Amino acid sequence: NAGVTQTPKFRVLKTGQSMTLLCAQDMNHEYMYWYRQDPGMGLRLIHYSVGEGTTAKGEVPDGYNVSRLKKQNFLLGLESAAPSQTSVYFCASSYFGTSSYEQYFGPGTRLTVT
Amino acid sequence: QQQVKQSPQSLIVQKGGISIINCAYENTAFDYFPWYQQFPGKGPALLIAIRPDVSEKKEGRFTISFNKSAKQFSLHIMDSQPGDSATYFCAASAGSARQLTFGSGTQLTVLP
Repeated sequence: NAGVTQTPKFRVLKTGQSMTLLCAQDMNHEYMYWYRQDPGMGLRLIHYSVGEGTTAKGEVPDGYNVSRLKKQNFLLGLESAAPSQTSVYFCASSYFGTSSYEQYFGPGTRLTVT
Repeated sequence: QQQVKQSPQSLIVQKGGISIINCAYENTAFDYFPWYQQFPGKGPALLIAIRPDVSEKKEGRFTISFNKSAKQFSLHIMDSQPGDSATYFCAASAGSARQLTFGSGTQLTVLP
């Protein structure tokens, strides 16, 4: 089991460029999440999904879009990158059952927007 | 609006000492309170978690104390070890998708 994987690990963008971050999980989890981590601010939820074909906004959704076309994949898109989106992005997934609420995190993508 | 407040921002403890990290929350709808541990360059990993119907949960050297009336919870690390040096995040969950709201993190350093 690879768990949660994220692609790419690092990326540098110029202001206005677009990109897509890919998250994949092999645990057959229903729920998937995208967070950003900034110094002194913990992790903040960007978007999340409770199943294939469904997405919802989190705490800081502006400037991002997501898609969940397949259960195992959750994509995060930046249409026009801004320096304020420089951050470390983490994807997570969890099982929908009541026995465990644990979220499993990927290794992160470090994004720099210049 | 920071719904989960965490302190201290950083903590230095001697090997064998007790590390204590505190969190306070505002939203009474939160129903699950996990602590995550993060090493540099890695994603956070669940350390221990508690539901609001119990006041304490212990797993090895790690204990969560929970005070529902005060809306506070804390992590105690007994016999702290250099390998415990990491960033610790408290979090709280609410909503049908168990969305997590994280505290700002505590960087723990355990001196050998």
